[in-house]
Formats: sequence, structure tokens, C-alpha cells
Amino acid sequence: KNEVEQSPQNLTAQEGEFITINCSYSVGISALHWLQQHPGGGIVSLFMLSSGKKKHGRLIATINIQEKHSSLHITASHPRDSAVYICAAFGRAGTASKLTFGTGTRLQVTL
Amino acid sequence: DAGVIQSPRHEVTEMGQEVTLRCKPISGHDYLFWYRQTMMRGLELLIYFNNNVPIDDSGMPEDRFSAKMPNASFSTLKIQPSEPRDSAVYFCASSLRGLWAGEAFFGQGTRLTVV
Repeated sequence: KNEVEQSPQNLTAQEGEFITINCSYSVGISALHWLQQHPGGGIVSLFMLSSGKKKHGRLIATINIQEKHSSLHITASHPRDSAVYICAAFGRAGTASKLTFGTGTRLQVTL
Repeated sequence: DAGVIQSPRHEVTEMGQEVTLRCKPISGHDYLFWYRQTMMRGLELLIYFNNNVPIDDSGMPEDRFSAKMPNASFSTLKIQPSEPRDSAVYFCASSLRGLWAGEAFFGQGTRLTVV
């Protein structure tokens, strides 16, 4: 079982829909990152969370440390949001550090 | 700033050859990361540097892989000898602070094909 699980794996939505992508992790973490990978392959860092909630434009990310769960929400989705969204959990144990990636959620937003 | 710059964008090489991937981080960023992405394993962190010093190389798959950062504006990832299973997209990223404190900025990646 992967230490970081994302759901759904694939998601198709119509323009304007509210989208939620989930990320659950089984390890203790110091921070969780949400990344966006465009169809061309480029990767953009969207959020780094260690608690609570962050918002940037139409994107909202939340994290519940007790439940080991984070969500990425997209409001008023648009075809340009079509991408693979990846969560990555960063954990530290003493001097050791570990970054574990989810397998990604492929989102396609249609007109 | 032009962002994180990686070269080459594409590399095709024969098995057994040495391959060197290059990265120029964003000026002023103290952290530099090398990642590998494959269909089978997804994204993996290979190694990261802080102030040019390797901090954690536990993700480097084997001794054939080595990374250096001779100065704050340049890093290399070398594979010697290369094998077909090394075929992947290799990303370099840099950040002002570590992964526990802030976002990272990614280069466009180098697509490596070993035949």
C-alpha cells in the first residue's frame, strides 16, 4: 500500500464544476505539497501546507493533520485546469527526511 | 529571473554511455532538488542540496548515479554507465527554504532515453 494515496485517479468534469481531489497519507508529516503537472510535462508547485487552509485564486487546499488527509478544491473549473495533480508528503524523523509522492489525479475539464 | 533552467531538454544515449544533466537554479535559492519521473514509479526525490552541500541522497537509486553542486548557480546529475531502465524525465527544482517550509520551482525537465 502506497504511503500516499490520491483519489480519484482520473476525473472528468464540465467547465464550471466544483472539483475536489483527495490525498490521504499514512506517515507522520511536516508538510504536504500540491503540484500541478501540465500536459506538456511542466510542474508547478501550487501549495505547501502544514496546517489549516490556503487559497490562491480558484484553488483552495486544506489539510487535517489528525485525520491525515488533504484536499485540493478547484472552483469554477476551466479547461485550462486540465492537468495531473500530485500531492507529496514531506516527513522528518530526526535528521532523516523523506518525500513521498502520490500517484496523481488526472483531471480533464471539458467545455 | 528566467526560472530554473535545465539542459539538455532531451537526451538520447546508448546503454553504457555516461550522461550528464545540468541545472541552473533560481538565483538566491539555497535549496536544489533533483527528481525523477517514470510511468511505473511516478515522481521520486533523488537528492537535495542546501547551500551547495548534499543533505539527503537516500533517493539516489544506485552508485551509477552521482550529483554535484560546485557552486550556487550550477548542479549536475551524472549517470555512469547508463542503462535502459534509467530512461525517465529528470526534474531539477530550487527553493528559498526546505521542503518543509515553502514551495519549490521546477525546471522543464530533461527527458532521457537510454537505448
